[in-house]
Amino acid sequence: RKEVEQDPGPFNVPEGATVAFNCTYSNSASQSFFWYRQDCRKEPKLLMSVYSSGNEDGRFTAQLNRASQYISLLIRDSKLSDSATYLCVVSRGTGGFKTIFGAGTRLFVKA
Amino acid sequence: DTEVTQTPKHLVMGMTNKKSLKCEQHMGHRAMYWYKQKAKKPPELMFVYSYEKLSINESVPSRFSPECPNSSLLNLHLHALQPEDSALYLCASSHKGLAGISGANVLTFGAGSRLTVL
Repeated sequence: RKEVEQDPGPFNVPEGATVAFNCTYSNSASQSFFWYRQDCRKEPKLLMSVYSSGNEDGRFTAQLNRASQYISLLIRDSKLSDSATYLCVVSRGTGGFKTIFGAGTRLFVKA
Repeated sequence: DTEVTQTPKHLVMGMTNKKSLKCEQHMGHRAMYWYKQKAKKPPELMFVYSYEKLSINESVPSRFSPECPNSSLLNLHLHALQPEDSALYLCASSHKGLAGISGANVLTFGAGSRLTVL
């Protein structure tokens, strides 16, 4: 079983749609949680950190359920520019951080 | 522009060559990472350095040899690679803070070095 699992995708949605990504992680010692975005042939970039209280950044809302070891990302009012691969990322450790990426979910937003 | 600089952007090498990938950051981060990414796959962790000491090696073959000469630099020395080692190699850095605290262990990636082994 992979340490971080995501919806396989791809998701094809029209502009303006709401889309939800789900992620589960298997190691209960995980301490920090993130969503990264990766555009084609570019490096991953932080979209947002995820906290147990839930957090929102504009059209993006992330939630974490530690008991279920579940992370979600909601994108409202999708834009063409949201088309990318969304990576669920989990980190743990006290020395260097062991930061593991899920397989990613590809999102295509169409006009 | 990325704050983590990787060179070279592209590298083609034969299986008997010795080459190095270089990574530099000036954000004061004390944790640095190497990841390998194949096409349509997520980044796969290879090595983590914390305060210039190797703290994580994800069972990477010895033909990959990391080095952290100082807090700003990270190298990946390559020797006797195989064609299946062809990939995008990504360097990243992060603050060495308490996990779970805002900003801690958020990775900033370089643009990557695309390696082709012939």
